Amino acid sequence: NAGVTQTPKFQVLKTGQSMTLQCAQDMNHNSMYWYRQDPGMGLRLIYYSASEGTTDKGEVPNGYNVSRLNKREFSLRLESAAPSQTSVYFCASSDVIGETQYFGPGTRLLVL
Amino acid sequence: QKEVEQNSGPLSVPEGAIASLNCTYSDRGSQSFFWYRQYSGKSPELIMFIYSNGDKEDGRFTAQLNKASQYVSLLIRDSQPSDSATYLCAATTDSWGKFQFGAGTQVVVTP
Repeated sequence: NAGVTQTPKFQVLKTGQSMTLQCAQDMNHNSMYWYRQDPGMGLRLIYYSASEGTTDKGEVPNGYNVSRLNKREFSLRLESAAPSQTSVYFCASSDVIGETQYFGPGTRLLVL
Repeated sequence: QKEVEQNSGPLSVPEGAIASLNCTYSDRGSQSFFWYRQYSGKSPELIMFIYSNGDKEDGRFTAQLNKASQYVSLLIRDSQPSDSATYLCAATTDSWGKFQFGAGTQVVVTP
């Protein structure tokens, strides 16, 4: 039982490049989330998926898109990376919205 | 204004003492509150959650909730060096139950 897994662990991009962060959970959870964490800012919600087939914007969605591929997988795409998107990205899942969230190990992204 | 506020610290605590962490929230509709621990370079992991006013104990940890005053606290008894971490407070924000996280309080337990 791996819990929540994320790939890649580290990534360096140049401004304007695109990439997709992958997230998968094996806990049969309905809800999944993408956060970014910056020093002094705490965790900020980018997008979430309350259930398979639905996605909604969070607090800081600009510059990102998401896909809930199936119940297990939720990906985050940066179409044209900017230095302001340098951050640590965490994926999380919960049985339903409002219940305990379980976090993946994170992806450290540096945009030059 | 952030909806969930925490003192950033660092909070320095002697080994064996009680660490007291506080968190205030602005949304009176918040129903559920969570404390996460995050070691440097790692992901947040749940310590405990609380829904009802009063105290909830789990081992060396006690969460306290006062909805009238809109604060939630975490006590760590018999603090150990392994408790040195950043502690994140989270509150559900609306009918959808999305989490709002505080920026975290850094705790340093000194031998």
